[in-house]
Amino acid sequence: QKEVEQNSGPLSVPEGAIASLNCTYSDRGSQSFFWYRQYSGKSPELIMSIYSNGDKEDGRFTAQLNKASQYVSLLIRDSQPSDSATYLCAVKRQGAQKLVFGQGTRLTINP
Amino acid sequence: DTAVSQTPKYLVTQMGNDKSIKCEQNLGHDTMYWYKQDSKKFLKIMFSYNNKELIINETVPNRFSPKSPDKAHLNLHINSLELGDSAVYFCASRTQGADTEAFFGQGTRLTVV
Repeated sequence: QKEVEQNSGPLSVPEGAIASLNCTYSDRGSQSFFWYRQYSGKSPELIMSIYSNGDKEDGRFTAQLNKASQYVSLLIRDSQPSDSATYLCAVKRQGAQKLVFGQGTRLTINP
Repeated sequence: DTAVSQTPKYLVTQMGNDKSIKCEQNLGHDTMYWYKQDSKKFLKIMFSYNNKELIINETVPNRFSPKSPDKAHLNLHINSLELGDSAVYFCASRTQGADTEAFFGQGTRLTVV
């Protein structure tokens, strides 16, 4: 079982719709969860971090964490073509130095 | 500009050669990483240094040797390059002990021919 798993996609969503990206993790000691966005040929950039169960909203982005189910998701409302990118889920165990990434989900927003 | 910067951005070399990638961060972080991203976009950690001390070595072939002259620099030297080493290598940094994110450099695309 992979430490962090994501649907590799590609995920195609019409402009203006909600894009839903999912991530599961295997280490129950994980405490910190991050969503990175990576445009083609560019470096990953952080868009959301979440540490507690529940929802965290930042503009059009909402991260959802359920530690009991070992599940973290990212919702993108009012999707824009500029949201087209690969989204990487990353997980860190408390006190650990290692940030473990999923394989990424490629998202395409269709105008 | 505060950032994590890597050089070179592109590196094309022949099998068997030795090459180095340099990384510098001016964010004041004490932990630095090397990640390898394959063609399927999977980011896999290779090494991590904290204050010049190696703390993570993820079963990387010993042809790969990281060196950290100080906490702001982490270089990666690769001996006897192989075709399978072709990938994008990312340097990253973060603050130790905090549950903070890692900041990434722009990546070095290594192509071994």
